[in-house]
Amino acid sequence: KAGVTQTPRYLIKTRGQQVTLSCSPISGHRSVSWYQQTPGQGLQFLFEYFSETQRNKGNFPGRFSGRQFSNSRSEMNVSTLELGDSALYLCASSSTGTTTYNEQFFGPGTRLTVL
Amino acid sequence: KNEVEQSPQNLTAQEGEFITINCSYSVGISALHWLQQHPGGGIVSLFMLSSGKKKHGRLIATINIQEKHSSLHITASHPRDSAVYICAVSSYNTDKLIFGTGTRLQVFP
Repeated sequence: KAGVTQTPRYLIKTRGQQVTLSCSPISGHRSVSWYQQTPGQGLQFLFEYFSETQRNKGNFPGRFSGRQFSNSRSEMNVSTLELGDSALYLCASSSTGTTTYNEQFFGPGTRLTVL
Repeated sequence: KNEVEQSPQNLTAQEGEFITINCSYSVGISALHWLQQHPGGGIVSLFMLSSGKKKHGRLIATINIQEKHSSLHITASHPRDSAVYICAVSSYNTDKLIFGTGTRLQVFP
């Protein structure tokens, strides 16, 4: 089975722009979670989608949004980029929508740099 | 105070040494995850446990629910074990993953 894929792998944007990141989960997985990793804050949960519905959300401003399609692929969007949004954005998929009993399979990440 | 604390933050070892990384948490959890992150960013899930002990090859993970503490042990460490090891807990109330800050391990030949 192919693993979780994320595109693009690297991205450079300027302040004020918006960006869309894509995540394709492992075939058959219906849950996709997004995480932000920065040197200062470490890994933080952004949101989780299950069967096209946002099931859970972290403490991030409304500039961060996402969606999931019927084929379970997910996108996240960040509008009005700020310098502090520079980070590694990771997505993870699992077979069901709970982190309790299901291993999370992580993608390679998208490294976003905001200038 | 962080809800998930790891120690040590940095660890250096000689090949063959026995290594222990500790994780303490202060929230109610339904499961605890140990993750490995190599340079370049990719994260691999090593263990997910809610009680007792699990073993996979040279890696052993234990959890004590009463004491809210988990340990990750690496026996006969090898340079390829060099990575950042991250402890994460599934919050019982929110089902969100809360991460520790990670332990950077370097194993020298």
